[in-house]
Amino acid sequence: RKEVEQDPGPFNVPEGATVAFNCTYSNSASQSFFWYRQDCRKEPKLLMSVYSSGNEDGRFTAQLNRASQYISLLIRDSKLSDSATYLCVVNMGGGSNYKLTFGKGTLLTVNP
Amino acid sequence: NAGVTQTPKFRVLKTGQSMTLLCAQDMNHEYMYWYRQDPGMGLRLIHYSVGEGTTAKGEVPDGYNVSRLKKQNFLLGLESAAPSQTSVYFCASSYSSRGTDTQYFGPGTRLTVL
Repeated sequence: RKEVEQDPGPFNVPEGATVAFNCTYSNSASQSFFWYRQDCRKEPKLLMSVYSSGNEDGRFTAQLNRASQYISLLIRDSKLSDSATYLCVVNMGGGSNYKLTFGKGTLLTVNP
Repeated sequence: NAGVTQTPKFRVLKTGQSMTLLCAQDMNHEYMYWYRQDPGMGLRLIHYSVGEGTTAKGEVPDGYNVSRLKKQNFLLGLESAAPSQTSVYFCASSYSSRGTDTQYFGPGTRLTVL
């Protein structure tokens, strides 16, 4: 299994749609998990951390399933401005920040 | 507060030339990182630094050197550029080494090696 594997995409959805991204990770000892967003030709920016109990930030919901080594990101009521590449990021190093492993990303395009 | 800045934004080199990429942060972060991003691949860590005067190898360090003489600056050097080093280079910084800390990225340097 690849270290961090995401849906290959791309996803094309209409405005207002609900879209879900999935990510699996290989190291069961991984301790922290994130979703980053990267706009075209820009730098990655933290979208949200993923907590064991699941967490929500407005239209965005992140969930973690440690048993299945699976992370998800749900976007409700998609906006044009949500168009970006979404990166699944996992800390593989037992808590040290320099062990972040990035997935290849899933491109989302929200259409009018 | 500029955050993380990178110089230059774009550069074209010929094989064998050398260059230095500069990263600067004004957030008083201890940790700094250099990544490269290639099409179809995730970001990969080249080198990182856990504080002024320290550096360490990441996942893909070959062909690169780094220095952290001042806390706010992290330099990435290519001594003899190769076409395989054509990539987008991102610098990042974080307050500490805790795995939950956010990494803040610079805008990137697009390097082409001919």
